[in-house]
Amino acid sequence: DAKTTQPNSMESNEEEPVHLPCNHSTISGTDYIHWYRQLPSQGPEYVIHGLTSNVNNRMASLAIAEDRKSSTLILHRATLRDAAVYYCIPLGTGGFKTIFGAGTRLFVKA
Amino acid sequence: GAVVSQHPSWVICKSGTSVKIECRSLDFQATTMFWYRQFPKQSLMLMATSNEGSKATYEQGVEKDKFLINHASLTLSTLTVTSAHPEDSSFYICSASGESNQPQHFGDGTRLSIL
Repeated sequence: DAKTTQPNSMESNEEEPVHLPCNHSTISGTDYIHWYRQLPSQGPEYVIHGLTSNVNNRMASLAIAEDRKSSTLILHRATLRDAAVYYCIPLGTGGFKTIFGAGTRLFVKA
Repeated sequence: GAVVSQHPSWVICKSGTSVKIECRSLDFQATTMFWYRQFPKQSLMLMATSNEGSKATYEQGVEKDKFLINHASLTLSTLTVTSAHPEDSSFYICSASGESNQPQHFGDGTRLSIL
């Protein structure tokens, strides 16, 4: 399984953009990069995933480095409801066992 | 969107009791489901992979006789914590996906407290 490195925590002001980085230097060529988040006392929630190209959805954008060794989750306007732990997870094609690292705890200030 | 339902959401029971947790995929079929455990202020730890119609695959260090997994249909997996003790108190979470490389959908978790 590819290892990931994320900051332990980050802080943002409400309605400002947030860039959450993730290093995954050992990612294989066929691993997708998935992002999930976990709000307090809930199960994780899917945010976005991609392979090579940048991706956008209603929740966030995912910017993937050209060498695929890092990616950045972008929340365009943080809200208080975005306060959660964000996990970056490379997921291979051989199976979809999802292994969670420590993640980044995002604090959003009003 | 796809939904995974987990039941019960919360249970308190006496030491020595066995507790069953259900995980259902509501609008898709899941040949594989996953069970996680999460202690306070820690990340999710994968316990086992539940395979429809066959034995579950347990992660290293997880006792298969302690945590019984049954995946009898394409929409239901159950985790039974047998003879639970206070150290088994935790937040148990299941997940499922219809296809490889597609996002996992997670249940809302079961908070288990053993007195």
